[in-house]
Amino acid sequence: AQSVTQPDIHITVSEGASLELRCNYSYGATPYLFWYVQSPGQGLQLLLKYFSGDTLVQGIKGFEAEFKRSQSSFNLRKPSVHWSDAAEYFCAVAKGGKLIFGQGTELSVKP
Amino acid sequence: DAMVIQNPRYQVTQFGKPVTLSCSQTLNHNVMYWYQQKSSQAPKLLFHYYDKDFNNEADTPDNFQSRRPNTSFCFLDIRSPGLGDAAMYLCATAMRTSGMGNEQFFGPGTRLTVL
Repeated sequence: AQSVTQPDIHITVSEGASLELRCNYSYGATPYLFWYVQSPGQGLQLLLKYFSGDTLVQGIKGFEAEFKRSQSSFNLRKPSVHWSDAAEYFCAVAKGGKLIFGQGTELSVKP
Repeated sequence: DAMVIQNPRYQVTQFGKPVTLSCSQTLNHNVMYWYQQKSSQAPKLLFHYYDKDFNNEADTPDNFQSRRPNTSFCFLDIRSPGLGDAAMYLCATAMRTSGMGNEQFFGPGTRLTVL
C-alpha cells in the first residue's frame, strides 16, 4: 500500500539555521509529491510540488525540496529559518485523485 | 483572487444537534474534498465530489453527509454530532485532468466545537 513517512514528529531549530525535514514515500509508479505548511488554526498552504523533470524544486518562502528516486525521499530544505516558519509541515503523495499525507512534522524556531 | 472560502470559521454546536459547514470556491475546480483534522494529526479524507459524482471513504461514519448543489459550493452535514466530532474541518479543491497529479487548494478551515 502507498504510504508517506515523516520520521520526525517535532524539530526545533535556531533562527537563521538551516533546516531539513525528511519525507519518505512508498509508491510503485512515478509519484506526484507535495509539501504543505499549516500554521496554527489555518488551512494547508502548498509550498512546492514535484511532478517530473528537474529533481530539485523551488517553492515559496525560500523552501526547496529534492526528489531522490533511489532513496524514495522528498526532503524539504531551507538555508536560513525565520521565526515565522514555525508551523506544521506535511508531505503528501497523490494517488487516484487523493492525497496521502505523512504524519506531519512540527517545526519550532528558537530565537 | 481565486480562492477557497469556508464559513463559518468557528462553529459551536450541542451534542446531537445537526450542523452544516459550508465551502465555496472561485477556482472553478471540478473536485471538492472534505477533510477532518484532529489536533496534531494529518487531515483525514471524509469524501469528495468529482463533478457531481460523490465518493465516500470506506471508514467515514454515516453521521457525515455532503451535498454539492453546483460547481462552486459544497456542504458538510453532521447529522448528530458527538464529542468525538470536535475537530477542524478542511475543504479543498482540485482540477482533475488526465495524467496530472492532484494539487489541492485548501480553505482556512472551520473549527467545530461540540458541547
